[in-house]
Amino acid sequence: EAQVTQNPRYLITVTGKKLTVTCSQNMNHEYMSWYRQDPGLGLRQIYYSMNVEVTDKGDVPEGYKVSRKEKRNFPLILESPSPNQTSLYFCASMVESSYNEQFFGPGTRLTVL
Amino acid sequence: GQSLEQPSEVTAVEGAIVQINCTYQTSGFYGLSWYQQHDGGAPTFLSYNALDGLEETGRFSSFLSRSDSYGYLLLQELQMKDSASYFCAVRYGGATNKLIFGTGTLLAVQP
Repeated sequence: EAQVTQNPRYLITVTGKKLTVTCSQNMNHEYMSWYRQDPGLGLRQIYYSMNVEVTDKGDVPEGYKVSRKEKRNFPLILESPSPNQTSLYFCASMVESSYNEQFFGPGTRLTVL
Repeated sequence: GQSLEQPSEVTAVEGAIVQINCTYQTSGFYGLSWYQQHDGGAPTFLSYNALDGLEETGRFSSFLSRSDSYGYLLLQELQMKDSASYFCAVRYGGATNKLIFGTGTLLAVQP
């Protein structure tokens, strides 16, 4: 089954404790992206990657890191989480030349205390 | 700055037609797409317009006017299951491949 998976689905952590949210897709897509969703603000792009070892900032990259060492994986790293990073996070992927048809993962609900 | 504007809420009755508008202001443009999101779920892709005109996919249609920086999503024969949030999104062109989403329109379909 073609899909994007994220782990964990839910996470409660404390300020300053490094964490990683994993994202994996099995569709051989070039483009992968991370979004955060907050009430009233829609989806905001954090980072995106056009292919292996090619990453770039979205609109809200501060406080986040990513890496793309393999085509299928695109982990999101919070080196020192803060309460303002409490949010719902989505990973997505698509064929780079597609009609913007992104496939989204199920989401990760993160709470930073 | 870069922005997409949509109405925050729309209400309609079953069987009716509803139009959700989206105006955009971006430094580049590589197509307007639409996504549906049910409460708590992942967004799912609905449609895409790169060129001016109407694209039809079943009960859903999407329209684009690049000269007006405007598009809309048209939902026909509304069903209760269409109650959801709808987002327009623009992919920048040129040197960047960022994607920017509107803040979403919450559609409530009433019996």
